[in-house]
Amino acid sequence: AQTVTQSQPEMSVQEAETVTLSCTYDTSESDYYLFWYKQPPSRQMILVIRQEAYKQQNATENRFSVNFQKAAKSFSLKISDSQLGDAAMYFCAYRSNWGSNYKLTFGKGTLLTVNP
Amino acid sequence: NAGVMQNPRHLVRRRGQEARLRCSPMKGHSHVYWYRQLPEEGLKFMVYLQKENIIDESGMPKERFSAEFPKEGPSILRIQQVVRGDSAAYFCASSPSATKYEQYFGPGTRLTVT
Repeated sequence: AQTVTQSQPEMSVQEAETVTLSCTYDTSESDYYLFWYKQPPSRQMILVIRQEAYKQQNATENRFSVNFQKAAKSFSLKISDSQLGDAAMYFCAYRSNWGSNYKLTFGKGTLLTVNP
Repeated sequence: NAGVMQNPRHLVRRRGQEARLRCSPMKGHSHVYWYRQLPEEGLKFMVYLQKENIIDESGMPKERFSAEFPKEGPSILRIQQVVRGDSAAYFCASSPSATKYEQYFGPGTRLTVT
């Protein structure tokens, strides 16, 4: 079974600075997707960014980018020019691309605080 | 296109009562996933359904929990004889197809068992 580990329960960053959230995962598969989801106080799950394992290029979405190291099974999220609205819980998630169940496996999350 | 709808948003039940949580997927989506989020935890998969079929219920407790996704109407997650440990946020997500990578989440139902 796949597991996702987020080793930083909490992180903080100054507004306009850059912060990196860590995520590692364990799998024996070679074809899969990785995601970062944001959960603000409203509890709505919002997709931030996705990465396809067979693509070597790191995904980027505006101020959000990932550092995907497939051999090391590492998938970190970098938030540049942090804004107050980025404050939220961030979850890393894994999805197999094999078989018939494409369920998401989540880490325990990292609570990001943005200081003005 | 309306997003995934869940109701109620908050549900309070006494121990031993039944809880029914509803999820209306996005229009055109025929795949639904249910997840549970315990306090201070990430979301955990419970069950995956397609219209009229349960594809995988490996994450759902064997007793007291059931789920359905009928041909017409919303998906229902049913918890019988609730206990305090069932208190959690329950999220559903929908997808247009099995192979589409993105799941769209609803706002969740927060169940409190008193």
